[in-house]
Amino acid sequence: QLVLTQSPSASASPGASVKLTCTLSSGHSSYAIAWHQQQPQKGPRYLMTLNSDGSHTKGDGIPDRFSGSSSGAERYLTISSLQSEDEADYYCQTWGTGIQTFGGGTKLTVL
Amino acid sequence: EVQLVESGGGLVQPGRSLRLSCAASGFTFDEYAIHWVRQGPGKGLEWVGGVSWNSGITGYADSVKGRFTISRDNARNSLFLQMNSLRAADTAFYFCAKENKAFCSSISCSPFDSWGQGTLVTVSS
Repeated sequence: QLVLTQSPSASASPGASVKLTCTLSSGHSSYAIAWHQQQPQKGPRYLMTLNSDGSHTKGDGIPDRFSGSSSGAERYLTISSLQSEDEADYYCQTWGTGIQTFGGGTKLTVL
Repeated sequence: EVQLVESGGGLVQPGRSLRLSCAASGFTFDEYAIHWVRQGPGKGLEWVGGVSWNSGITGYADSVKGRFTISRDNARNSLFLQMNSLRAADTAFYFCAKENKAFCSSISCSPFDSWGQGTLVTVSS
């Protein structure tokens, strides 16, 4: 079964960096994922597609502060030089075998 | 600029029906699979279902299979979600979302690269 696992919460200070993790279920470590950001009271926003080799393609207008990397079944989203507007929920998504799947989301707090 | 605008949400009693619409612009609508995703109060994103670019393939989450039907009208750049036998658990914001890759032969070719702002459906007596 294709499942994505995310930590429920993360926090960091303004100006710092944070690395969020999305873990693919056993047998699916070669899958690509996408990262989406959802700010409070807004619809989600596509950030990037991240491949198993760490290569990634970002959406239009996504700042260079957002980057992705991969290791085995883990997919990472790193946000550097954190700003207050980065406080949001972050979801990973993957696709295949006729379905689309989301992780449970990570709530990022910028303290 | 890609725009997806949902409409049709509202308050509906359990067991009744509701039809949502999604109006698309800013891209060649008939080349892409489009999906519905929902988000219950305080919860994460849940894929509801999707339809391929030519309406040849539809797919649904188990939670809505047999109750919800997705369709599209490429001439009107519109996507629809017919929701029947609604339950309290269907209460959520409903978003439409566009897949990234054109002319895919399934509804799971690629991630979503554009989203609407959502429409709220409340199922309550």
